[in-house]
Amino acid sequence: QKEVEQDPGPLSVPEGAIVSLNCTYSNSAFQYFMWYRQYSRKGPELLMYTYSSGNKEDGRFTAQVDKSSKYISLFIRDSQPSDSATYLCAMSVSGGSNYKLTFGKGTLLTVNP
Amino acid sequence: DVKVTQSSRYLVKRTGEKVFLECVQDMDHENMFWYRQDPGLGLRLIYFSYDVKMKEKGDIPEGYSVSREKKERFSLILESASTNQTSMYLCASTLVGGGQFFGPGTRLTVL
Repeated sequence: QKEVEQDPGPLSVPEGAIVSLNCTYSNSAFQYFMWYRQYSRKGPELLMYTYSSGNKEDGRFTAQVDKSSKYISLFIRDSQPSDSATYLCAMSVSGGSNYKLTFGKGTLLTVNP
Repeated sequence: DVKVTQSSRYLVKRTGEKVFLECVQDMDHENMFWYRQDPGLGLRLIYFSYDVKMKEKGDIPEGYSVSREKKERFSLILESASTNQTSMYLCASTLVGGGQFFGPGTRLTVL
């Protein structure tokens, strides 16, 4: 079983739709959870950063962590064509000085005008 | 805003050449990382550094080395480039306990 599983898509939605992106993981020691957005031929951009379980909201984006189910989600409300990108989940055991991230392989999202 | 810059966006080298990829961050971050990203394989960690002159191997260090002489600068070295090192190389940096911030990437082609 891979440590982090993420459906690669592709996912295609109409403009204005609510988008749900998900990752599951197997390592119960993961404590820090992140979502990145990566446009084609660019570096990943940190979107959301959460510690432990719960929800975090930032504008049209909401991140949810359910540690009991080992499941994290990113919701995008009122999706825009500019949201078209690959979304990567990432997580780590430690937030300490030498922590490493484990990434999902990314979900390709297209928002159609 | 955090800024991570990489020395080149696109690079073409020949097999056997020594290749230097440089990364600079301007936010006094302790940790710096080098990844490569390939279709279907995702992001894979090559090396990371949590302090000046300190380095640790990641998941795929073979064929690579790194140097961190100053806190803001982290270099990736391909000692003798091979065609299977053709990839997108990404540098990242972070404070303790924070998310990683990535540079724009260097797309390296080895002929």
